[in-house]
Amino acid sequence: AQKITQTQPGMFVQEKEAVTLDCTYDTSDQSYGLFWYKQPSSGEMIFLIYQGSYDEQNATEGRYSLNFQKARKSANLVISASQLGDSAMYFCAPRSGNYGQNFVFGPGTRLSVLP
Amino acid sequence: GAGVSQSPSNKVTEKGKDVELRCDPISGHTALYWYRQSLGQGLEFLIYFQGNSAPDKSGLPSDRFSAERTGGSVSTLTIQRTQQEDSAVYLCASSLAYRRAKNIQYFGAGTRLSVL
Repeated sequence: AQKITQTQPGMFVQEKEAVTLDCTYDTSDQSYGLFWYKQPSSGEMIFLIYQGSYDEQNATEGRYSLNFQKARKSANLVISASQLGDSAMYFCAPRSGNYGQNFVFGPGTRLSVLP
Repeated sequence: GAGVSQSPSNKVTEKGKDVELRCDPISGHTALYWYRQSLGQGLEFLIYFQGNSAPDKSGLPSDRFSAERTGGSVSTLTIQRTQQEDSAVYLCASSLAYRRAKNIQYFGAGTRLSVL
């Protein structure tokens, strides 16, 4: 089974600072997608950002961006200008298969934003 | 509805009883997933439905777990003879399923199952 590594079980960041959450994976597929989800304490899973393995540019969505390094099988999430509401669990999830049906979540990183 | 709906939001049951968890996906989404999340843990894939294809049941932990999807829409996850280790949040997600497309999964709020 595919293994996803998120090396930082917990991280702290000062409000308004930038933070990088790490994710590495070991897929053997050449074509895949890479998703990041946020899970606040309320429990819902919120889609944040997507990167296709053949996308030429790193994905950006507002304050979220990906540092995607395909050769290293790494897709780190960068959150700029952290806000208190960013405190949550963050999950990296590579997807593969023709319809993206092979979906595996990493163990997550708990981010705490300090005022 | 606008989003994925799950019911009940909370379920407390006694060990050995059967439970049914319901998921109503986003209208038009042909793909539906069930996951389990134990306290403080990541998501564990359980089962995947895509249109009229046979479901991918590879994640079901035992034969006490089963799921069906009627009419390509609503899905029910059934756990028979519940055990304490079944206590977790059960999350349902749905997505479009276009070939080679992004197909973002959208999640429901989950059902928190407590087995006493």
